[in-house]
Amino acid sequence: EAQVTQNPRYLITVTGKKLTVTCSQNMNHEYMSWYRQDPGLGLRQIYYSMNVEVTDKGDVPEGYKVSRKEKRNFPLILESPSPNQTSLYFCASSPWGHPYGYTFGSGTRLTVV
Amino acid sequence: AQSVTQPDIHITVSEGASLELRCNYSYGATPYLFWYVQSPGQGLQLLLKYFSGDTLVQGIKGFEAEFKRSQSSFNLRKPSVHWSDAAEYFCAVGNTPLVFGKGTRLSVIA
Repeated sequence: EAQVTQNPRYLITVTGKKLTVTCSQNMNHEYMSWYRQDPGLGLRQIYYSMNVEVTDKGDVPEGYKVSRKEKRNFPLILESPSPNQTSLYFCASSPWGHPYGYTFGSGTRLTVV
Repeated sequence: AQSVTQPDIHITVSEGASLELRCNYSYGATPYLFWYVQSPGQGLQLLLKYFSGDTLVQGIKGFEAEFKRSQSSFNLRKPSVHWSDAAEYFCAVGNTPLVFGKGTRLSVIA
């Protein structure tokens, strides 16, 4: 089944403790992206990647890092999480240059206390 | 720059009534337009998309949307709403990247 898999689904952590949210897709998509969703703000792009080793900042990149060492994986790294990063995070993928729309993962609800 | 406006934050309709969710976009060229639905606690599911051609597009779950270039709009419609349609709906424009509106929450009452 074609899908984007995020882990974990839920995570509660403490301020300053490094964490990684994993994202993997099995569709051989070139483009992958991370969004955060907050009430009243919709979905805002954090980082995106157009292919292996090619990443760039989205609209709200502060406090996040990403890497794209393999085509299928696009982890989101919070090196020193803070409470304002409490949010619902979505990973998405798409073929590059084809307007098919994104395939989204199921989301990761992160709480930083 | 691309942008999407969904003017209605929350809409309540009665089951069986018709529905229209509004979406206005700003885009420099012929836009790619999408509607996504997010049920409570779920991810986003693609309802329908417009690339070119017929301005009335059909999607899943009985939804349709009409592209009106003169009004920069891509409104989502459904003739008869079911209780299971209660969800949050997002309009989006672009390709890679997609730019999303802030969403419209739909409540359905009996």
